[in-house]
Amino acid sequence: NAGVTQTPKFQVLKTGQSMTLQCAQDMNHEYMSWYRQDPGMGLRLIHYSVGAGITDQGEVPNGYNVSRSTTEDFPLRLLSAAPSQTSVYFCASRSGTRSKNEQFFGPGTRLTVL
Amino acid sequence: GDSVTQMEGPVTLSEEAFLTINCTYTATGYPSLFWYVQYPGEGLQLLLKATKADDKGSNKGFEATYRKETTSFHLEKGSVQVSDSAVYFCALLSGGYQKVTFGTGTKLQVIP
Repeated sequence: NAGVTQTPKFQVLKTGQSMTLQCAQDMNHEYMSWYRQDPGMGLRLIHYSVGAGITDQGEVPNGYNVSRSTTEDFPLRLLSAAPSQTSVYFCASRSGTRSKNEQFFGPGTRLTVL
Repeated sequence: GDSVTQMEGPVTLSEEAFLTINCTYTATGYPSLFWYVQYPGEGLQLLLKATKADDKGSNKGFEATYRKETTSFHLEKGSVQVSDSAVYFCALLSGGYQKVTFGTGTKLQVIP
């Protein structure tokens, strides 16, 4: 199993540009989430999904869109990039079973917005 | 809402010292509790977990016990190594098991 994969690993954007961060998992997990990690602020939840076709907002959703058309994929779209979105982005997935409810994280995408 | 509070770092220890990183939480019901570790330049990975009160999670010499009476899940290791240098995150999962709440992370530096 590849686990959780993310592309790209690094990205530089100019203010106002749009892009999509890709995330895929091959563990048949129901739950998927996107986080951003900023120095001194831990992980903040952007959006999450509890299954194909179902998404919801986390604590910092503004400026981001998501969709979940398949169980495997959960892309994150930046609509119009801003310098405040410079961060490291992590995708995670987990099972809905209590005994196996730990999250599996991707390696991250390091985004810089100029 | 749910919250996790963990001690601020950085924590600097000499090799073979005893480690404690405090974590307390606020949550409804009976959350699952986790410790994740993040090595430089990598994503988070599960270190240990506990799903009910009085459970002890353990892995790689690290331990944490789910204490419902004190709403705590403190991470301990008897003898740290330089390779343990990383950022440690306490987290909980509750409320219908939809969202995971993380602490802000504690950076550990172990010096030879």
